[in-house]
Amino acid sequence: QKEVEQDPGPLSVPEGAIVSLNCTYSNSAFQYFMWYRQYSRKGPELLMYTYSSGNKEDGRFTAQVDKSSKYISLFIRDSQPSDSATYLCAMRVEGSNYKLTFGKGTLLTVNP
Amino acid sequence: GAVVSQHPSRVICKSGTSVKIECRSLDFQATTMFWYRQFPKQSLMLMATSNEGSKATYEQGVEKDKFLINHASLTLSTLTVTSAHPEDSSFYICSASRAGLGRETQYFGPGTRLLVL
Repeated sequence: QKEVEQDPGPLSVPEGAIVSLNCTYSNSAFQYFMWYRQYSRKGPELLMYTYSSGNKEDGRFTAQVDKSSKYISLFIRDSQPSDSATYLCAMRVEGSNYKLTFGKGTLLTVNP
Repeated sequence: GAVVSQHPSRVICKSGTSVKIECRSLDFQATTMFWYRQFPKQSLMLMATSNEGSKATYEQGVEKDKFLINHASLTLSTLTVTSAHPEDSSFYICSASRAGLGRETQYFGPGTRLLVL
């Protein structure tokens, strides 16, 4: 079993839809959870950063962490064509020298 | 804040030559930088972790003599692909860790696309 599992998609939705992206993980020591967005041929951009369990909202984006289920989610409300990208979940343990474990990434296309 | 740059953004070279890629943190000091390789439609693959002033730590299967890393200062790390071959063609991305602001994580550069002919 891989440490972090993420459905690679591709996921295609119409503009305005609510998008749900998910990752599961096996290492209960993970404490920090991140979502990155990567446009084609670009470096990943940090979208959301969460410590431990709970929800975090930033504009149209909401990140959820459920440590009891080892499950994290990213919700995108009112999706836009500009949201079309690959979304990578990432996580790390405390004191890991910031070394991240990534999911494979989910390719999202939002159709106008 | 948290801007990381890479240079060059794209490089084409002949087989057997060496290529140097620079990674700079522009508005913060990064004690740790990371180098990744990404093949088309694949996720990021960590190659090595680089700490300022010390030797890099390479991931299993990454040849340290082929991928030379120098982390000379708190804002600059370089990756040199020595004697590059076509199979080294890939997208190389660096990241820098930023601490002390409650968002201790990695910030990525825009990547360098290497094509070895």
